[in-house]
Amino acid sequence: ETGVTQTPRHLVMGMTNKKSLKCEQHLGHNAMYWYKQSAKKPLELMFVYNFKEQTENNSVPSRFSPECPNSSHLFLHLHTLQPEDSALYLCASRERRDRGYTFGSGTRLTVV
Amino acid sequence: AQTVTQSQPEMSVQEAETVTLSCTYDTSESDYYLFWYKQPPSRQMILVIRQEAYKQQNATENRFSVNFQKAAKSFSLKISDSQLGDAAMYFCAYASGSRLTFGEGTQLTVNP
Repeated sequence: ETGVTQTPRHLVMGMTNKKSLKCEQHLGHNAMYWYKQSAKKPLELMFVYNFKEQTENNSVPSRFSPECPNSSHLFLHLHTLQPEDSALYLCASRERRDRGYTFGSGTRLTVV
Repeated sequence: AQTVTQSQPEMSVQEAETVTLSCTYDTSESDYYLFWYKQPPSRQMILVIRQEAYKQQNATENRFSVNFQKAAKSFSLKISDSQLGDAAMYFCAYASGSRLTFGEGTQLTVNP
């Protein structure tokens, strides 16, 4: 365990469902991130939160809605997804940029 | 925009031998950090080694070392005395500001 916990590990959802991914860290880090990892593609940055405030949205479709209620928790709310949204969704946190980022184990999402 | 390129989709090495993974990046900034991450089948993204751009000395962590050529914008990873547990996908990453940008990854196979 790295200190960043993601739940659930696996999720299968229909295109009309609404679900949420959860990320939790108790490392005292101030920045949290959502990344999408698709097969044969580099990791894509989705959202960045610093001190609970969203500081970056990397042109993510509105069917993905992030929420950061406090500096330890980050959610990704999903609704009306498409099959091409199937991927591994990774959460990361960071204290200082020179220390690198700490990643969770990801949620494997399958949209059917 | 910064880009990170890993030109070797796959590499293989014999156990106990040495292998070098290549990475180049493109940036106009002078202050940044570079990382190598390892992602085994467990999906956990693990930080292997990091390098500050302002440091000329190459970083070393046990069997892992880098060859950082700032002028050439090159950041290769050398793994010495390869072990079966080193088999994984390796990602080169560039950090500036709040953003961490990844390369496409190199799948490393270690043959017994």
